[in-house]
Amino acid sequence: DIQMTQSPSTLAASVGDTVTITCRASQNILDWLAWYQQKPGKAPKLLISKASDLETGVPSRFSGTGSGTEFTLTISSLQVDDFATYYCQQYSSYQYTFGQGTKLEI
Amino acid sequence: QATLRESGPALVKPRQTLTLTCTVSGFSLSESGMFVTWIRQPPGKALEWLALIDWDGDTYYSTSLKNRLTISRDTSKDQVVLTMTNVDPVDTATYYCARRFSRWGMDVWGQGTTVAVSS
Repeated sequence: DIQMTQSPSTLAASVGDTVTITCRASQNILDWLAWYQQKPGKAPKLLISKASDLETGVPSRFSGTGSGTEFTLTISSLQVDDFATYYCQQYSSYQYTFGQGTKLEI
Repeated sequence: QATLRESGPALVKPRQTLTLTCTVSGFSLSESGMFVTWIRQPPGKALEWLALIDWDGDTYYSTSLKNRLTISRDTSKDQVVLTMTNVDPVDTATYYCARRFSRWGMDVWGQGTTVAVSS
């Protein structure tokens, strides 16, 4: 299976900051990568598909880059609503896998 | 709009079989490029992908759980069913079904159903 490794596991930031979360794949997944945001007690929300395609309705302060094995999610001008847990997920193979998550804390 | 809703027992005894149903609306399970997946999340832990079924009815499973899982669909009822055999307390989790279409990630999720495995 393709392993997805996210870093950091926890990230402390302040409103207005810009933060970056990294996701590494154990093998080449081209750009078949999605990013999700999850808040406590809620289902995950799709933010980005195909490594960099922003889902409709997602604020433009979210952006994704990367291809192959290394990917980043950047959130600029952090808002209070952005404090949540973020997951990457590969869908290059039919055995999907998630990263272990990054908790973004105030 | 597309929606998914999970249903199933809240409590299952160890060694029993768990059956979860995902009822979908607003889209067709048979539309080319459509996938329905099952994901779970133990309390306080990360998301874990379990299984998927595509528009042709082809199925795929997590390598670590494939011997215990079966995913199937009933297109006449707009339902996708996941069965997990021989459950254990470590299978206690919130179980989600989600849709994936074409090139996009999983864009529509159910609200999740919480399952506890306990005697």
